[in-house]
Amino acid sequence: QKEVEQDPGPLSVPEGAIVSLNCTYSNSAFQYFMWYRQYSRKGPELLMYTYSSGNKEDGRFTAQVDKSSKYISLFIRDSQPSDSATYLCAMSELGGATNKLIFGTGTLLAVQP
Amino acid sequence: GEEVAQTPKHLVRGEGQKAKLYCAPIKGHSYVFWYQQVLKNEFKFLISFQNENVFDETGMPKERFSAKCLPNSPCSLEIQATKLEDSAVYFCASSHNLDIQYFGAGTRLSVL
Repeated sequence: QKEVEQDPGPLSVPEGAIVSLNCTYSNSAFQYFMWYRQYSRKGPELLMYTYSSGNKEDGRFTAQVDKSSKYISLFIRDSQPSDSATYLCAMSELGGATNKLIFGTGTLLAVQP
Repeated sequence: GEEVAQTPKHLVRGEGQKAKLYCAPIKGHSYVFWYQQVLKNEFKFLISFQNENVFDETGMPKERFSAKCLPNSPCSLEIQATKLEDSAVYFCASSHNLDIQYFGAGTRLSVL
């Protein structure tokens, strides 16, 4: 079993839709949770990061972490064609012996105009 | 600089040849991480540095792979005697204090 599981999609939605992206994980030591967006043939771009459980909002993006369920989510409101990309969740054991990121396999999102 | 700079963008090597990839972290960032991205977006951690010191090398293959971060020089990742399975995109990320990692655009290595 992988440490981080993510539905690979692809996910296709109409412009303006609300998008929900999710990851589950098995390592209870994860403390930092991140969402990256990766366009084709580009590097991952940080969208959101949260520490421990809770919600964080930034514009059209909301990140949620539920440590009791080992489940994280990213919501995109009023989705735009420019949001079409692969979304990667990533986690780390901040403060442990290493701070390497463990990634999900990414969800490919297509927002149709 | 204000972004992680990776060179070259694309590197083509014949099997058995050496490949060397470079990474200049964001100015002021003390930590550098190397990741390998293979098929289906699988990211694999390779190695990290705190300044010029190895911080975590648990992901580095025991053979053929080496990395350095020397003062006043870009960090480097070197693969001796490349194999077909080394074909991947290699990403470098830098971090100021181990919280957020900022990624470069990657180097696509094609081993033929």
